[in-house]
Amino acid sequence: AQTIHQWPVAEIKAVGSPLSLGCTIKGKSSPNLYWYWQATGGTLQQLFYSITVGQVESVVQLNLSASRPKDDQFILSTEKLLLSHSGFYLCAWDSAETLYFGSGTRLTVL
Amino acid sequence: GDQVEQSPSALSLHEGTGSALRCNFTTTMRAVQWFQQNSRGSLINLFYLASGTKENGRLKSTFNSKESYSTLHIRDAQLEDSGTYFCAAEGGNTGKLIFGLGTTLQVQP
Repeated sequence: AQTIHQWPVAEIKAVGSPLSLGCTIKGKSSPNLYWYWQATGGTLQQLFYSITVGQVESVVQLNLSASRPKDDQFILSTEKLLLSHSGFYLCAWDSAETLYFGSGTRLTVL
Repeated sequence: GDQVEQSPSALSLHEGTGSALRCNFTTTMRAVQWFQQNSRGSLINLFYLASGTKENGRLKSTFNSKESYSTLHIRDAQLEDSGTYFCAAEGGNTGKLIFGLGTTLQVQP
């Protein structure tokens, strides 16, 4: 069975500080991976997707970047956080066009 | 651009009752997915439909691509059904998954 793990569970960071969020999927070879962002009380917005190692497509520009260093790993990062980066970040993978989400990382930028 | 309009925005049900959630699409969508988000933020995939109707326990979903809408019916609501329900549709032009704004469901004893 496939499992998706996100880390950390939650972060409280200062404006201007760097950020790195991680996502690992096990039990699935060459998965399509996605990063989504959800503002508090809001809907989900796709940020990035990747279909293979080393390849990442940006969907929405939010002063964030993503990388796929390994087949099973997807990283979301920025060098300088903004207040507007606060929210809930979800990693996801798809199988037979059905989307499955990780448990998310709640980010608070102060 | 492609839009997903979800209604109602909020819904309150008593245990044992039922209701329907709806998503309308402004353009032709290829497929729709329904998700439930619980209080911890976890998103559970309920249905994927490219057409027709699917049923799973107390939930039933229909996707009518010609008339550009999808529905999610909940019957015999239970307390654990509380949460926010999102529909998401694949845009015909981009293939990108577009989420609605969600329906917040509260089931009361």
